[in-house]
Amino acid sequence: AQTVTQSQPEMSVQEAETVTLSCTYDTSESDYYLFWYKQPPSRQMILVIRQEAYKQQNATENRFSVNFQKAAKSFSLKISDSQLGDAAMYFCAAGGTSYGKLTFGQGTILTVHP
Amino acid sequence: DTAVSQTPKYLVTQMGNDKSIKCEQNLGHDTMYWYKQDSKKFLKIMFSYNNKELIINETVPNRFSPKSPDKAHLNLHINSLELGDSAVYFCASSQPYRTHTEAFFGQGTRLTVV
Repeated sequence: AQTVTQSQPEMSVQEAETVTLSCTYDTSESDYYLFWYKQPPSRQMILVIRQEAYKQQNATENRFSVNFQKAAKSFSLKISDSQLGDAAMYFCAAGGTSYGKLTFGQGTILTVHP
Repeated sequence: DTAVSQTPKYLVTQMGNDKSIKCEQNLGHDTMYWYKQDSKKFLKIMFSYNNKELIINETVPNRFSPKSPDKAHLNLHINSLELGDSAVYFCASSQPYRTHTEAFFGQGTRLTVV
């Protein structure tokens, strides 16, 4: 069983600044993956970044990076040089390797101020 | 050449009706899913199929019946629609075995029951 918790319902950031979205999880699986998805108003679910739990190195994708603390079961997303297009709902998700189903957090609405 | 496409994008129907949502993926993935996003934006898995076989059924009412004619298609049929069925339904696909890909989502179907 997996649970994912996002404790920040809303966050805001100034354009060009940095913001960090928090996520904690719990899982009984020994091998799992963690994801951040972005959902803009168009409602399309867009993968932002993924992290394999067996990798110690934090994943990075351009302006997006994660801070993966396996012992603490924490998986935060850092967005650097925030842009207006980053405004969206962000979902943290955990997936096991057995069936691949994703368990999502409650989501964080990110507002970017010009 | 959309990776995961679902139709229709919007569906408005009366209580008691039966409706279907279709989904197709051209990614060659073995596993497909249906997720439900409720009015509070919470995403939860409903079903998962692997190579046309049902592998996950997350306590969804019997009025919901998924059908997978082949591994590229997963349709969702809903009988006797109720007001509480109003939500956004997402189809997704992934390759959780071997390559452990992330889930790719369709654009969602907003179902409104009146």
